[in-house]
Amino acid sequence: QGQLEESGGGVVRPGRSLRLSCAASGFIFNIYGINWVRQAPGKGLEWVAFIPYHGSNPSYANSVKGRFTISRDNSKNTLFLQMNSLRPDDTAVYFCAKVRGAVVSGGGLDIWGRGTMVTVSS
Amino acid sequence: SYVLTQPPSVSVAPGQTARITCEGDNFGRKSVQWYQEKPGQAPILVLYDGSERPSGLPERFSGSSSGKTATLTVSRVEPGDAADYYCQVWDSSSDHVLFGGGTKLTVL
Repeated sequence: QGQLEESGGGVVRPGRSLRLSCAASGFIFNIYGINWVRQAPGKGLEWVAFIPYHGSNPSYANSVKGRFTISRDNSKNTLFLQMNSLRPDDTAVYFCAKVRGAVVSGGGLDIWGRGTMVTVSS
Repeated sequence: SYVLTQPPSVSVAPGQTARITCEGDNFGRKSVQWYQEKPGQAPILVLYDGSERPSGLPERFSGSSSGKTATLTVSRVEPGDAADYYCQVWDSSSDHVLFGGGTKLTVL
């Protein structure tokens, strides 16, 4: 079935940077697109970014475009999210989530990690 | 931009049928997914491509879509079905994933 495990969350001051990681296991990582999805406390799910299986042409939500960068290392089965210029409204649990279909972009997200909490506060 | 609208809450008694709607401009060729999220847990995919169930999901969960509305139907509702439910589509024109605002299903 596969697993995803996020790490790297924590408390950071506004304007600073943080890098999240998502380690994959139990499936062929390099043929699946992966998303980052976040959830602010008490709020709904918000999509953040997507990276195709090959790593090119990622896409971003307007709220993070230009500040966040999604990347992946297929040799290490790991996904990253570099978050710069963090703001208080970036405070959320960040999930990585795998696209269900191989080598496609759309469709359902069938494997989710448990999430890592990011708190942006002075 | 494309927006998905869900009712904030739906309440049903055990054994009854719950229907949760998701409204968009026009689902057309977009496939709709549904997720169940319980407090403190990661979301679970319960339906994909509108009406397909991942392996292991009960047949009590079903889906449909027509025009501007997609519907998640939970038949013979059980107390364990109480959760937040989110619809989701992939907008190929913008390469963005979109989630609805979520619906809290309460089992009375």
